[in-house]
Amino acid sequence: DQQVKQNSPSLSVQEGRISILNCDYTNSMFDYFLWYKKYPAEGPTFLISISSIKDKNEDGRFTVFLNKSAKHLSLHIVPSQPGDSAVYFCAILTGGGNKLTFGTGTQLKVEL
Amino acid sequence: EPEVTQTPSHQVTQMGQEVILRCVPISNHLYFYWYRQILGQKVEFLVSFYNNEISEKSEIFDDQFSVERPDGSNFTLKIRSTKLEDSAMYFCASSESEPSSYNSPLHFGNGTRLTVT
Repeated sequence: DQQVKQNSPSLSVQEGRISILNCDYTNSMFDYFLWYKKYPAEGPTFLISISSIKDKNEDGRFTVFLNKSAKHLSLHIVPSQPGDSAVYFCAILTGGGNKLTFGTGTQLKVEL
Repeated sequence: EPEVTQTPSHQVTQMGQEVILRCVPISNHLYFYWYRQILGQKVEFLVSFYNNEISEKSEIFDDQFSVERPDGSNFTLKIRSTKLEDSAMYFCASSESEPSSYNSPLHFGNGTRLTVT
């Protein structure tokens, strides 16, 4: 089941620079997309979401972009901070609308 | 900020034993979920629960699994006869309304690490 894919298992960025995390999905009928962040020994924490009627949603340092024709989602973090170091999961709402399907995650490391 | 709490944080059990994982969702939330993450794998959906009944379940959620909201505050996941492959981190989550309403993200607890030996 590869409905949502994050092809980069890890990403290393310098503090202050932009972090770009990518996610691809397979079904053009998906219409709600989310990003979660996860620290070790904690549960996933909701970051930001976007519905398919938009192509961009912004919340402070976090911006999500949706390219429906490419079936591609990205999360931009700018400026990156050391506290952003975590695993980032993209997720899509599937099934009857109650089920999140997660990607495999990208480990972001923000270095000083 | 209100949060989802899960107990215990770590549960070790022998194969074939029953386990109950406990969760206290956020108090005004109406939708409840269990997810799990096997080490090195994706976070996977198990079950969603609303109005005292299962609204959706995955193929993982077979007859060995059950969920219950026994007293209006706790939400439990029971595995009747644990198998080695049930070893995983189990996350409880809750949401205020249906996720498809777009403004109701899932809030996750910190998980229970289940180890089956």
